[in-house]
Amino acid sequence: NAGVTQTPKFRVLKTGQSMTLLCAQDMNHEYMYWYRQDPGMGLRLIHYSVGEGTTAKGEVPDGYNVSRLKKQNFLLGLESAAPSQTSVYFCASLPGQGAGGYTFGSGTRLTVV
Amino acid sequence: QQPVQSPQAVILREGEDAVINCSSSKALYSVHWYRQKHGEAPVFLMILLKGGEQKGHEKISASFNEKKQQSSLYLTASQLSYSGTYFCGTSSPGSSNTGKLIFGQGTTLQVKP
Repeated sequence: NAGVTQTPKFRVLKTGQSMTLLCAQDMNHEYMYWYRQDPGMGLRLIHYSVGEGTTAKGEVPDGYNVSRLKKQNFLLGLESAAPSQTSVYFCASLPGQGAGGYTFGSGTRLTVV
Repeated sequence: QQPVQSPQAVILREGEDAVINCSSSKALYSVHWYRQKHGEAPVFLMILLKGGEQKGHEKISASFNEKKQQSSLYLTASQLSYSGTYFCGTSSPGSSNTGKLIFGQGTTLQVKP
């Protein structure tokens, strides 16, 4: 049972390039989230999804897009990367409403130069 | 608005106790606590729901004061393995059906032999 898997684990992008981060979970969880973590700022919510085909904006959605075409996958896209998007990105999932705590993926460390 | 954690950092000797506080300016529905070791993903410790309190671990417990919009995490007889950064994550009544959390900035705990 893999839990929550994020790919890639590391990536270096040039300013203006695009990329997609993949989050896959095999626990049949309904809810999925993308957070970014920056030093001294904790985890900030980018986008989230409460079910297949649904997405919603979090605290810091600008510059990012998401899609949840399949229940097990939640994709985070950067259309035109900027140095301010240098961060560690974590995906998390939750079985559903009122159902315990998040299971996090191992993270993606992204550097934009 | 991000909950505020205090203290920002604490250093303990093995066997000593610690308290980490999480304070919100908004009404709370639930408070989650997570621990993150350096270079790893956050790991869920426990959840406290409005109207109740849940103890997740034997020597790690927490309280939730709904009126004061505060939660505290208690670590007793600390062990070296308790070292890491602790985050509280809060949800509001209006977002209880989404599972989304707003995280504090974190409290770094170092336990020395």
